[in-house]
Amino acid sequence: EVQLFDSGGGFVQPGGSLRLSCAASGFTFSSYAMTWVRQAPGKGLEWVSAISPSSNSIYYIDSVKGRFTISRDNSKSTLYLHMNNLRAEDTAIYYCAKNLATGMAFYDSWGQGTLVTVSS
Amino acid sequence: EILLTQSPGTLSLSPGERATLSCRATQSVSITSLAWYQQKPGQAPRLLIYGASSRATDIPDRFSGSGSGTDFTLTISRLEPEDFAVYYCQHYGTSSVTFGGGTKVEIK
Repeated sequence: EVQLFDSGGGFVQPGGSLRLSCAASGFTFSSYAMTWVRQAPGKGLEWVSAISPSSNSIYYIDSVKGRFTISRDNSKSTLYLHMNNLRAEDTAIYYCAKNLATGMAFYDSWGQGTLVTVSS
Repeated sequence: EILLTQSPGTLSLSPGERATLSCRATQSVSITSLAWYQQKPGQAPRLLIYGASSRATDIPDRFSGSGSGTDFTLTISRLEPEDFAVYYCQHYGTSSVTFGGGTKVEIK
């Protein structure tokens, strides 16, 4: 059974930093692209960042470029999102998600989400 | 950037009724790049349909997807109590992904 466990969220002041983690199990982590999707309170889904299986290709939504860094450790089956210079508008539940297959950015497994709150 | 507009914002129906949800793109997209998700309160989204019309694993056949070009539809043939939720369409391009704003299907 595929399982994704998100962690690392919390309360942080504007300008602060957090590192989110997503521990994966039940599948060959190193074979799949992975993604972070966020959802502000009461709002819809917003794609944040994606990383290819070997980390060769990395993508970000414009609003987080230069502030967030996605990475992965295939030896630990873990996905990361390093978030710097956080803003109030980054407040959201952050979900990691597994791509359905190579070349298909559909997400067939999701973590439970971890809440990031940015406030003074 | 391709934007997705979902309509209606809220759909009020009774169990057993048919639900028809719309997703319209700002420009023509490949059917292979369009998906639908279901999200219930307090839960992560669940993939229902990918490639516009292929059901994901363990998705009941009362869920179906169709469409092409700029207009796509998710149909729930007969609503079950567990189907009342928010539904999102999603498109992916070469370097980005967009979601629609969602349609809430509520009990009438």
